[in-house]
Amino acid sequence: QVQLVQSGAEVKKPGASVKVSCKASGYTFTGYYMHWVRQAPGQGLEWMGWINPNSGGTNYAQRFQGRVTMTRDTSISTAYMELRRLRSDDTAVYYCARGSDRYGEFDYWGQGTLVTVSS
Amino acid sequence: QSVLTQPPSVSGAPGQRVTISCTGSSSNIGAHYDVHWYQQLPGTAPKLLIYGNNNRPSGVPDRFSGSKSGTSASLAITGLQAEDEADYYCQSYDSSLSGFYVFGTGTKVTVL
Repeated sequence: QVQLVQSGAEVKKPGASVKVSCKASGYTFTGYYMHWVRQAPGQGLEWMGWINPNSGGTNYAQRFQGRVTMTRDTSISTAYMELRRLRSDDTAVYYCARGSDRYGEFDYWGQGTLVTVSS
Repeated sequence: QSVLTQPPSVSGAPGQRVTISCTGSSSNIGAHYDVHWYQQLPGTAPKLLIYGNNNRPSGVPDRFSGSKSGTSASLAITGLQAEDEADYYCQSYDSSLSGFYVFGTGTKVTVL
C-alpha cells in the first residue's frame, strides 16, 4: 500500500532554515510527481510546488520562489522540502502529497510535519 | 490568497443532503481544468474524495458526488452522517501568474 511518512516536528527561529523529508513506499517513487502543500493554524491549504523524482525537475509557486528548494534521493525514495529565511507566518503543517497520473489530483498524503517559527 | 471561493460553512441534519460550491474564474475552472475535492477530518491530513470533477476513489461512499459547470463546481453529500463532519476543499489548476495548483477557501460541514 502507498505510504508517505514525513519527518518529525521542528521548532526554528526567524531567519533560519528547515528541511522536511517525505519517505515514500508501496509504489515506484520515480513514477509520480511529489507535491508540497502547507496549512497555517486554522487556515486553508496552500500549494508550494512539485518535484519530478525521475528528473529532479521542480516547479514552485511564485510566492515561494527564491526561498524554497525541493530535492529528492531516489536511492531511498525520499523527497525533501527546504524553506529558508523563515518568518513567523511560515508556522504551519507541511504536507507532501503524491500527484496522480490520472487527472493530476493529490491521491496520497503524508501525515504532515508541524514547523513552528518562534523567537 | 485562494482563487477558488467556497462558503465558510454548511450544516445539515443526519440524512439530509448538503452541497458545497466552489467558484473560480476563466483561468482555472472556466478554462476546463479538472476539479478535485478533499476531506480533512480534525487533526488529520486531507484525503482525496473526488477526482476529475465527478469520480470517486475506491472506498469513498457513493453518498459523495461532484459536478462542474462553467466557472464553478459543486460537491454534494447525500444521506449526511455524523462522520461526515469535516473540512472540505476543492482544488484545480490555474493558468494565471498567481499559481499553478490552487485550493478553495475551505468549507466546514457541521452535522446538526
